[in-house]
Amino acid sequence: DAGVIQSPRHEVTEMGQEVTLRCKPISGHNSLFWYRQTMMRGLELLIYFNNNVPIDDSGMPEDRFSAKMPNASFSTLKIQPSEPRDSAVYFCASSPRDRTYEQYFGPGTRLTVT
Amino acid sequence: GENVEQHPSTLSVQEGDSAVIKCTYSDSASNYFPWYKQELGKRPQLIIDIRSNVGEKKDQRIAVTLNKTAKHFSLHITETQPEDSAVYFCAASWGGGGADGLTFGKGTHLIIQP
Repeated sequence: DAGVIQSPRHEVTEMGQEVTLRCKPISGHNSLFWYRQTMMRGLELLIYFNNNVPIDDSGMPEDRFSAKMPNASFSTLKIQPSEPRDSAVYFCASSPRDRTYEQYFGPGTRLTVT
Repeated sequence: GENVEQHPSTLSVQEGDSAVIKCTYSDSASNYFPWYKQELGKRPQLIIDIRSNVGEKKDQRIAVTLNKTAKHFSLHITETQPEDSAVYFCAASWGGGGADGLTFGKGTHLIIQP
């Protein structure tokens, strides 16, 4: 059974460029979460969706960040324009319908903005 | 919002000894307390969790205890082995009928000395 899939695994971009991170949750899971991990701030929740609907986006740091979930098997996190302080590992996680509290993480995308 | 404090930040123990990591939380509405293990460059992996209707849960060499009155919970690892070396994160969430994002502690770097 495939776990959460994220792409790309690594992204290096220049300041000012648009970055799009992608996530495919585990099949049958109906909740999806985006987290960011840095040394300074640790693991932080950015936004989460339930049945494709955004529930809480209070963790999204700025208007430069946006997330979508057009269907049950795909989500994107977009940063436009990107800045060096956005450099981090971005994790996507999903949880099953019958145990919405259990979250399973993808491998992450390491973003470097120069 | 929820705030999770985790101690110690680094813990070094001899192989075969026990390790204990402690966390406190602030929101009395939190009901779900998972622990994640993260190896260098890898994703956080759920290793054990506890819900507020129980005080202790054990899975082989790892156990978690919860004191809701004092708002603290702990991870216990017995008979530590080299493969236990990693960063461990505690977290808290509402864990109710719907999905809820996790609030993480800052992590404990566990080092198993041979």
